[in-house]
Amino acid sequence: DIQLTQSPSFLSASVGDRVTITCRASQVISNYFAWYQQKPGKAPKLLIYAAATLQSGVPSRFSGSGSGTEFTLTISSLQPEDFATYYCQQLNNYPHTFGQGTKLEIK
Amino acid sequence: EVQLVQSGAEVKKPGESLKISCQSSGFNFGNYWIAWVRQMPGKGLEWMGMIFPDDSDVIYSPSFQGQVTISADKSITTAHLQWSSLKASDTAMYFCARHTFGDYGLELWGQGTLVTVSS
Repeated sequence: DIQLTQSPSFLSASVGDRVTITCRASQVISNYFAWYQQKPGKAPKLLIYAAATLQSGVPSRFSGSGSGTEFTLTISSLQPEDFATYYCQQLNNYPHTFGQGTKLEIK
Repeated sequence: EVQLVQSGAEVKKPGESLKISCQSSGFNFGNYWIAWVRQMPGKGLEWMGMIFPDDSDVIYSPSFQGQVTISADKSITTAHLQWSSLKASDTAMYFCARHTFGDYGLELWGQGTLVTVSS
């Protein structure tokens, strides 16, 4: 299985901050890679797919980049509604593993 | 409306069987991979497996192979996840989700089904 390691696991930030979450894969993967946002009691929401493509309806302050074994999710200017848990997922190999999550909290 | 609607919460005893459902609407159900994802209480997301309803091709995660059965009924545009003998450790929220074309992500999610297994 491909292991995905997100860093940091917890992140404390303020409204207006720029934040970056990193996901490292245990082996090289292509751009079959996605980022999700999950709020308590809700289903995850797709933010970024194919590593860097913004899902329809997602604000442009979210962006994804990366290739090979390192991928990043950047939020350019945090808004109050962005405080949530973020997960990465690789869909390159079976099983389609998720990272362990990054909980983004208000400072 | 394009959506996935899951069946309601279940409370079961260890050893009982269970089948939960994920009904689609608003899109061609047969043409998209549908995945199942587990989330244990307070924990992260785990990919269980997926099905292509048009030909019922199923791929399981090794962690869940033999523990659950994924199926689909195209006539009612519904995917199912079932257990033959539940354990307390199956207590979790279960989500179904539809892949994007090209399988680059899970773009449409059901609301989740909470399964509680307790004696």
